[in-house]
Amino acid sequence: GQSLEQPSEVTAVEGAIVQINCTYQTSGFYGLSWYQQHDGGAPTFLSYNGLDGLEETGRFSSFLSRSDSYGYLLLQELQMKDSASYFCAVGGGGKLIFGQGTELSVKP
Amino acid sequence: NAGVTQTPKFQVLKTGQSMTLQCAQDMNHNSMYWYRQDPGMGLRLIYYSASEGTTDKGEVPNGYNVSRLNKREFSLRLESAAPSQTSVYFCASPGTEAFFGQGTRLTVV
Repeated sequence: GQSLEQPSEVTAVEGAIVQINCTYQTSGFYGLSWYQQHDGGAPTFLSYNGLDGLEETGRFSSFLSRSDSYGYLLLQELQMKDSASYFCAVGGGGKLIFGQGTELSVKP
Repeated sequence: NAGVTQTPKFQVLKTGQSMTLQCAQDMNHNSMYWYRQDPGMGLRLIYYSASEGTTDKGEVPNGYNVSRLNKREFSLRLESAAPSQTSVYFCASPGTEAFFGQGTRLTVV
């Protein structure tokens, strides 16, 4: 089967850096992706790692270590609008399975 | 969200009623998925279809049926709705980047 673990909530201040970790167990792994969801909205894609290493997209970066079954999402220069839920997801065996989500609260 | 259209947006059902949620994508993706999301929870996979003509159970399939009508369309049916099926339902069409429909907020009373 597949399972993912990520912290349930994280709090940080505006302008800071925050890291959201994700560990996973899966069969037929083909990549780790990250999604953002604001209250009442649909999840939107942030980043994807198919290979080990760091992917950078603006203020957001994502890292993957396949040998450790571990990845993280790094958010820099936090803004109030970054307050949202963040989900890691793994693909494998034809399925895309999500973690339970990390609620990020950005304080002034 | 571009590419995935999901209807209806809102629905209230009485226990025992049936309904079908519709989803269509225009991105020519092979895979389509149905998820449910409950308050404070992640997205749980109900059913998925890896290609036209195939469907498979996900994490929480009980009480649901699906139909992959063609490459574009993937519907989710509740034959006899129960209060435990009150949730927000999302259709998605994954590639490396998954696109989601707007969601259906379903209440079963």
